[in-house]
Amino acid sequence: AQKITQTQPGMFVQEKEAVTLDCTYDTSDQSYGLFWYKQPSSGEMIFLIYQGSYDEQNATEGRYSLNFQKARKSANLVISASQLGDSAMYFCAMRGLSGNTPLVFGKGTRLSVIA
Amino acid sequence: KAGVTQTPRYLIKTRGQQVTLSCSPISGHRSVSWYQQTPGQGLQFLFEYFSETQRNKGNFPGRFSGRQFSNSRSEMNVSTLELGDSALYLCASSWDRGVGETQYFGPGTRLLVL
Repeated sequence: AQKITQTQPGMFVQEKEAVTLDCTYDTSDQSYGLFWYKQPSSGEMIFLIYQGSYDEQNATEGRYSLNFQKARKSANLVISASQLGDSAMYFCAMRGLSGNTPLVFGKGTRLSVIA
Repeated sequence: KAGVTQTPRYLIKTRGQQVTLSCSPISGHRSVSWYQQTPGQGLQFLFEYFSETQRNKGNFPGRFSGRQFSNSRSEMNVSTLELGDSALYLCASSWDRGVGETQYFGPGTRLLVL
């Protein structure tokens, strides 16, 4: 079974600063995928970034990057140059082994960007 | 390309009633998954459909059911509603079911049970 742990219920960051949202995972699968989603107050889950377990390079998508440390089973999201519009809930999720297991989500981190 | 659409967006029902929620996936996507999100339990997986077949089911009572049609559109039904069924119901679609397949979510249906 897969498990995602996000230990930061809430975080504050100053506008234009970088912020790291923590995510640790637990799985016995050798092949798995890690995802980050953003959920604004409107409710829709917005896909941000993906990292495969066999990817050697850390994933990057614009201002988002994923700090993947396989041995430590961590997949932290780094947001550079925070903007007010980044204020939202952020969820880390994973899916293991051939997609036969569903996407498992962490509890989320509420990020607040202050001017 | 249009995103995932869900109807209705908001719904108010009373205990004991039943409800049907609809999800239209992104064009070409064959997999549809449903999730329930509540403040207490977070995001919980309900079920996944691929090519009209249920491939995975979460730990929910039999009152929760779903189906997928040949055009990949999906519906979920909750019978005999309980107060605890009040939640945001999210539908997500992906092209396939692999480990690296990104699921794209719809805006959700907010269900309130009185």
